[in-house]
Amino acid sequence: DARVTQTPRHKVTEMGQEVTMRCQPILGHNTVFWYRQTMMQGLELLAYFRNRAPLDDSGMPKDRFSAEMPDATLATLKIQPSEPRDSAVYFCASGLLAGDNEQFFGPGTRLTVL
Amino acid sequence: GQQVMQIPQYQHVQEGEDFTTYCNSSTTLSNIQWYKQRPGGHPVFLIQLVKSGEVKKQKRLTFQFGEAKKNSSLHITATQTTDVGTYFCAGAGSARQLTFGSGTQLTVLP
Repeated sequence: DARVTQTPRHKVTEMGQEVTMRCQPILGHNTVFWYRQTMMQGLELLAYFRNRAPLDDSGMPKDRFSAEMPDATLATLKIQPSEPRDSAVYFCASGLLAGDNEQFFGPGTRLTVL
Repeated sequence: GQQVMQIPQYQHVQEGEDFTTYCNSSTTLSNIQWYKQRPGGHPVFLIQLVKSGEVKKQKRLTFQFGEAKKNSSLHITATQTTDVGTYFCAGAGSARQLTFGSGTQLTVLP
């Protein structure tokens, strides 16, 4: 059955290193979201794309984070340089039509920055 | 901006007891959605409510959308250990984006 895939599932890196997380949305979905989940902050929206165009990235620290959709089957979230406070689970989700419809979440990437 | 508050943050119940989580928005919503996240898992969509005063049921789960479309609740009757997880509400506002609540973490004691 169709599902959102994310790679890697786990990533341990040292402070200052670049981290790239990848997401393959469900085929045919035209909205893609990146969320960050921590115990303290809960589920935070980082970026939102519709038809591959970024619509909202106000939740994303601009100095070190970047999100792109090079094509309809791939979304990327990059952190450069990474910091210990970036340690979290990063979820990608996809959906249809608009940002207020049902979202299908991927399994997440658990990032640990030492 | 739109804020969605959810209470309680944590709830421990004995198996068989009922459970309710509440969600309140600072603005009127076009729809509200509920998601469940099992420990170590990812959020999974449960339901969407659109109409004022709407009530929907899924087996032991009852979802309500307030008359003013600013609040919602999820009630679980006779909890089971399989109900363990975090329940999130997510409200859709005028910007047609979802804002997730902070979630209620449910623990069911056998």
